[in-house]
Amino acid sequence: DAGVIQSPRHEVTEMGQEVTLRCKPISGHNSLFWYRQTMMRGLELLIYFNNNVPIDDSGMPEDRFSAKMPNASFSTLKIQPSEPRDSAVYFCASSQDGDNEQFFGPGTRLTVL
Amino acid sequence: GEDVEQSLFLSVREGDSSVINCTYTDSSSTYLYWYKQEPGAGLQLLTYIFSNMDMKQDQRLTVLLNKKDKHLSLRIADTQTGDSAIYFCAERKRTGGSYIPTFGRGTSLIVHP
Repeated sequence: DAGVIQSPRHEVTEMGQEVTLRCKPISGHNSLFWYRQTMMRGLELLIYFNNNVPIDDSGMPEDRFSAKMPNASFSTLKIQPSEPRDSAVYFCASSQDGDNEQFFGPGTRLTVL
Repeated sequence: GEDVEQSLFLSVREGDSSVINCTYTDSSSTYLYWYKQEPGAGLQLLTYIFSNMDMKQDQRLTVLLNKKDKHLSLRIADTQTGDSAIYFCAERKRTGGSYIPTFGRGTSLIVHP
């Protein structure tokens, strides 16, 4: 298995633009997590899905952030409109049932100018 | 305060032992984890310990658990430059109705010659 796949690996955009981050979890995993990592705040859980259903989105910073999981093999995290303070590394992770080992993707480094 | 607390930095000399400490909040946590993040990569599970254990050893790694004080530590013997990374402590915690790992902010281990 190729592991968790994220795209793009790097994204540079201007303030106000829409950003879409993509994730393909490991085949057979039924839990998917989106995290944000910054120097100031460390690793933050934004949202997680179980069997394609959002279970807890309390970590989503504000309404500008939205996440979807239309099927078991794909998820998106969208920021609209983006702001410079959204600059961070965004990780997607998947696991077989929520509390087993999480497998992380390589991350998307987002820079909002 | 944060659920899982760790010091942010640790600097050691190559060949010495490293001890990374963590405190957690949920005394009912059944699993506690250590994840490692190498530069430019996602997190990877390094080791874990069940809450009914006091110690777990795996080659150069020793995990100690003090349930009374809710304190977890990771000892790396004969630390090498390749051990330089960020180490995350995590506790299995009920979130949104499911049990998932809750991560600390991570400890940056710097190994110098």
